[in-house]
Amino acid sequence: SQTIHQWPATLVQPVGSPLSLECTVEGTSNPNLYWYRQAAGRGLQLLFYSVGIGQISSEVPQNLSASRPQDRQFILSSKKLLLSDSGFYLCAWSSRQGNNSPLHFGNGTRLTVT
Amino acid sequence: AQKVTQAQTEISVVEKEDVTLDCVYETRDTTYYLFWYKQPPSGELVFLIRRNSFDEQNEISGRYSWNFQKSTSSFNFTITASQVVDSAVYFCALSEAGGFKTIFGAGTRLFVKA
Repeated sequence: SQTIHQWPATLVQPVGSPLSLECTVEGTSNPNLYWYRQAAGRGLQLLFYSVGIGQISSEVPQNLSASRPQDRQFILSSKKLLLSDSGFYLCAWSSRQGNNSPLHFGNGTRLTVT
Repeated sequence: AQKVTQAQTEISVVEKEDVTLDCVYETRDTTYYLFWYKQPPSGELVFLIRRNSFDEQNEISGRYSWNFQKSTSSFNFTITASQVVDSAVYFCALSEAGGFKTIFGAGTRLFVKA
């Protein structure tokens, strides 16, 4: 069966510090990968998605970036965090088979920028 | 532009009551997909159902049922005989056919009291 791992679960970082969140998927090949952010009391905002190694599409201009160095690894980064980067970050994958396969989410990372 | 509206921010019911979560969507596409996800207090979003725009049949799965009406652009979710374990945030979502973006509503927080 497929599983998705996301870490760390919680993170407290000072403003201006770098960020690296990692996500890996097991049990499937060539998944579509996604990073979403959920602000308190709001819906999910798509940040990045990737359909293959090295292929990254950005949905929202910001100081975050994403990379996909391996087929089942997706990394969210920032060189300098802002207070507004605080939130709940969710990694997700979907199958390329079929039409609009549902998203399967990781447990999320709660980021607090102080 | 695509949009998903969940007008109910919070709903509180007593166990065994029936509850309906509303979802209204906007899209110019003729082919699209609708989803419902559940986010329990643990934070991980769980996929519940996917519907394509050509299938307006209502669906029932145990205590859960979904009512899709294209005429009113609505995809409502009903929980029958609610239980405390149903307490969660529920998200309605929309994606265009063949696309990678899934647009989420703001979510409805459901409290089920014993």
